[in-house]
Amino acid sequence: EPEVTQTPSHQVTQMGQEVILRCVPISNHLYFYWYRQILGQKVEFLVSFYNNEISEKSEIFDDQFSVERPDGSNFTLKIRSTKLEDSAMYFCASKSVAWVEKLFFGSGTQLSVL
Amino acid sequence: AQSVAQPEDQVNVAEGNPLTVKCTYSVSGNPYLFWYVQYPNRGLQFLLKYITGDNLVKGSYGFEAEFNKSQTSFHLKKPSALVSDSALYFCAVRFQTGANNLFFGTGTRLTVIP
Repeated sequence: EPEVTQTPSHQVTQMGQEVILRCVPISNHLYFYWYRQILGQKVEFLVSFYNNEISEKSEIFDDQFSVERPDGSNFTLKIRSTKLEDSAMYFCASKSVAWVEKLFFGSGTQLSVL
Repeated sequence: AQSVAQPEDQVNVAEGNPLTVKCTYSVSGNPYLFWYVQYPNRGLQFLLKYITGDNLVKGSYGFEAEFNKSQTSFHLKKPSALVSDSALYFCAVRFQTGANNLFFGTGTRLTVIP
């Protein structure tokens, strides 16, 4: 079965630094998502992206966050100035078309902000 | 407030016994309900969904779930547990048609004891 690929699997950064989390969605998919899970807490929606623009975002997704699909294959999440509370597992997901109710998730990037 | 809850952090069951992982939701309108599973070092994988129709839905790996509108529940079940079913299970709901994002529960760790 095709997979969503995320890199790196682990990222350690200093507070205030910028990080970019990378995802390669499944090639024919059109809808892209970022979720995160803080240790011991629920998986939280961050943002959805379609047709080269953000379609929805949560309250978590403030001005420090941005997403980009720079080259038609990668889908990136940038955190401009990381905070301690950004430490979490970040999951990328994609799906093929709007009416298909099945998301394909990557294995996640564990972000640790020190 | 709209929410989804998994009341049990941990469920232990003996191999060969039936298993149930509980999920309840609170929402106005008709929810779309999902179960995802996460194996170690892997992304979340889709198991099954309820959109409309029969209250009992069947999914991957022999799992099924029953939508109960009066009890606002969507419990995951399997008649005979396997050791390989040991994983983290997430219930998720999409609250509104037209919105793409899923809201997840906190997850239930299922351990099947040989």
